[in-house]
Order: sequence, then structure tokens, then C-alpha cells
Amino acid sequence: SAVISQKPSRDICQRGTSLTIQCQVDSQVTMMFWYRQQPGQSLTLIATANQGSEATYESGFVIDKFPISRPNLTFSTLTVSNMSPEDSSIYLCSTRPGLATDNEQFFGPGTRLTVL
Amino acid sequence: QKEVEQDPGPLSVPEGAIVSLNCTYSNSAFQYFMWYRQYSRKGPELLMYTYSSGNKEDGRFTAQVDKSSKYISLFIRDSQPSDSATYLCAMDTGRRALTFGSGTRLQVQP
Repeated sequence: SAVISQKPSRDICQRGTSLTIQCQVDSQVTMMFWYRQQPGQSLTLIATANQGSEATYESGFVIDKFPISRPNLTFSTLTVSNMSPEDSSIYLCSTRPGLATDNEQFFGPGTRLTVL
Repeated sequence: QKEVEQDPGPLSVPEGAIVSLNCTYSNSAFQYFMWYRQYSRKGPELLMYTYSSGNKEDGRFTAQVDKSSKYISLFIRDSQPSDSATYLCAMDTGRRALTFGSGTRLQVQP
């Protein structure tokens, strides 16, 4: 398994500002994922972040709105830019720490974001 | 139509009951199937992971996959109040990105 931590755990932000969420894994991993969980909803994949390459975004999510950094094999950041109340969600970092054939995926505790 | 369908509940059962949670899916390319438990204000916790059809047991939990029917189940035996949480099914084609069900909220009454 993997131990994943996120900072901040929660934040309340004003419309139009940006917030950067940090994700730290206790081991080196190839792939990291960022998900969004809107109130009362399930998880939706935002993007996949591999170290040394540009993040791959899912349909409906764009780099200008959700820029991602992946500077090394244990760390990633997600920025939520120019926020609006519709961005109020839980943002979750995730990874697969096992072998290339191992598909078990683990999640961090999440960052609860409220935009006023 | 969503790729993965899951009854949102809530499902309320008495302590000690056997709980059955289910998901159906439409994408025949899904090969890997997972169940997560999510407590309020926490991240999802991986409970069970299975590949292809069949059963897998871990303590009080049994995961079942029927690929011919595109149907997966999670059974919880001797349910406890501490099992009260939202249970999410998730699936993967091997592309390494999960597709989640909407989650079923379970309440186990003492």
C-alpha cells in the first residue's frame, strides 16, 4: 500500500482566487492521479500526472483551470485557478504504488475546498 | 446511461445482518474491479480488489464479479455499526484510470 498525505486538509477561498493543493506519497510512484468529488457525488478523474511529462487531462478539465506539477516521484500539486463556487469540492490525490501489473489504487484523505 | 450504475441508498440494516451491495456496468472492457469504503469527511479506503470473474473473500467481506452479466457485488457478513459508511465500486480497463459508481450509503443500526 501507500501512505498519501495532502495539504491543506480544508480551505475556504474567495471567488477569483487560486489554491494549490499538495500531495506527498511515502514511496516513489510512477503515476499519480487527481480526482474531484463534488458534494453528494462520486469521484471524477481530473488528470493523470506522470513524473517527467505533461499531465493528461480528462474530458471537461483543462490545464489553464487545473495546472498540475509533478517535480519528482513522491510529490505532486494541483492548482485550482480563478475559483468559482462551482469548484467547491473535495479534491483527492491517488496513486498505484505496485508493479506495472498491479492495479490497486490508494487515495489520500482529500482537501475540502469551499469557494464563497 | 452511466458506465457504472450503483444504487445510492441509503441502505439501513440491523447489526449482524448480511449486507449486499451491487453495481452494474456497461463497458465490457472493464477487467479490474474494486470496492472502496468512505467514511464521512475521509478519503476512500480500498477494501477489495479483484481481477476478472469469480469470488474473493477477506474476513467478513466477499467480492463477487460476474463479467457475463456485467454485475459485481460486495457482501458484508455480521455487519457492525462501524461498517456504516459509503461504499463505492470502481472499475478499470487497464488504462489505469478508475471509473466509479455513485456510491451506496450504508447505515448499520445497533
